Amino acid sequence: RKEVEQDPGPFNVPEGATVAFNCTYSNSASQSFFWYRQDCRKEPKLLMSVYSSGNEDGRFTAQLNRASQYISLLIRDSKLSDSATYLCVVNPFSTNAGKSTFGDGTTLTVKP
Amino acid sequence: NAGVTQTPKFRVLKTGQSMTLLCAQDMNHEYMYWYRQDPGMGLRLIHYSVGEGTTAKGEVPDGYNVSRLKKQNFLLGLESAAPSQTSVYFCASSYPTPSTGGSFNEQFFGPGTRLTVL
Repeated sequence: RKEVEQDPGPFNVPEGATVAFNCTYSNSASQSFFWYRQDCRKEPKLLMSVYSSGNEDGRFTAQLNRASQYISLLIRDSKLSDSATYLCVVNPFSTNAGKSTFGDGTTLTVKP
Repeated sequence: NAGVTQTPKFRVLKTGQSMTLLCAQDMNHEYMYWYRQDPGMGLRLIHYSVGEGTTAKGEVPDGYNVSRLKKQNFLLGLESAAPSQTSVYFCASSYPTPSTGGSFNEQFFGPGTRLTVL
């Protein structure tokens, strides 16, 4: 079993739709969590951190469920520009530089 | 600020050739990383460094060597390239996590190097 697992998709949704991605992790000692966005043939860029209390940034909401060991990303009112691959990242310790684990990514395509 | 830059952007090698990929960052970050990304997959850590003069192995270190002689540079070397090393290589840097409880350590990535080994 992979340490971090994501549904690869692809998720094909119309503009304006709400879409949610989940990411499960196996290490219960995991401490910090992130969502990155990666456009085709580009580098990953941080989309948002995921806090225990959940956090929201505009149309994006991230949540953490420690009991079930998953994080989620909700995108409301999808835009064409949201089309990308979304990577979840899990760190076991907040100060451990070398242990970030990336999921394989979930691909989203938003269509007109 | 240029952020994280990588040289070269593209390279084609023949099996057995050697090359060095250069990563440079101007953000004064302590931590630097080398990842590889194969089609349809996430990033896998090759080597990383927590400071000038120190390096450590990541998940897939075999066939690669690294050096961090200067804080701003992190070099990735392939001594004898193999077709299995065909991939996109990303360098990243980050700052140490605050010790007071913050767990935010965003990694800033370079644009990548597309390497093909024939």
